[in-house]
Amino acid sequence: ETGVTQTPRHLVMGMTNKKSLKCEQHLGHNAMYWYKQSAKKPLELMFVYSLEERVENNSVPSRFSPECPNSSHLFLHLHTLQPEDSALYLCASSQDSGTENIQYFGAGTRLSVL
Amino acid sequence: QKEVEQNSGPLSVPEGAIASLNCTYSDRVSQSFFWYRQYSGKSPELIMSIYSNGDKEDGRFTAQLNKASQYVSLLIRDSQPSDSATYLCAVIRYGGSQGNLIFGKGTKLSVKP
Repeated sequence: ETGVTQTPRHLVMGMTNKKSLKCEQHLGHNAMYWYKQSAKKPLELMFVYSLEERVENNSVPSRFSPECPNSSHLFLHLHTLQPEDSALYLCASSQDSGTENIQYFGAGTRLSVL
Repeated sequence: QKEVEQNSGPLSVPEGAIASLNCTYSDRVSQSFFWYRQYSGKSPELIMSIYSNGDKEDGRFTAQLNKASQYVSLLIRDSQPSDSATYLCAVIRYGGSQGNLIFGKGTKLSVKP
């Protein structure tokens, strides 16, 4: 266990559904991240929160909406997704978002959009 | 040019051999470099970080960094079947005050008994 917990582990949703992914870190870190991992592509950084403030939004479509209510929790709200959004969504956290930035990953949510 | 490039493999080595994984990066000002291991269906786990030129050893793993050549590698000595996984190279890219990890596609390693 890395100290980063993601739920649910698997999610199947239709294109008209609304769902949320949850991430919780128990490491006392101050930065949290959402990544998307698709087959045969590098891990893609989606959002970064540092001290609960969004500091990065990598041109992610508005159908993905992050929320960071406190330094331990991070959500990714999903609505009207497309089949190409099917992927593994990974949450990570780190103590510092600067030079060292050692990130610890959760187990991920495997998302399938039908 | 991709920011972080790795040979996707698969790289196949016999048990007990040295596995050599390579990575090049395009941002010359990068200062921090990481190797993550990802087993199939699992999340990435950090195995090595390196910040200065030269070698850094940790058990059977050695990371090598050459900033002039923009090259970082990972050597795994006495490879075991349990080392079979995808190895991700990651580099920090800075934008403003924020440093974010940029990952390569990963190299799939297979260690044959």
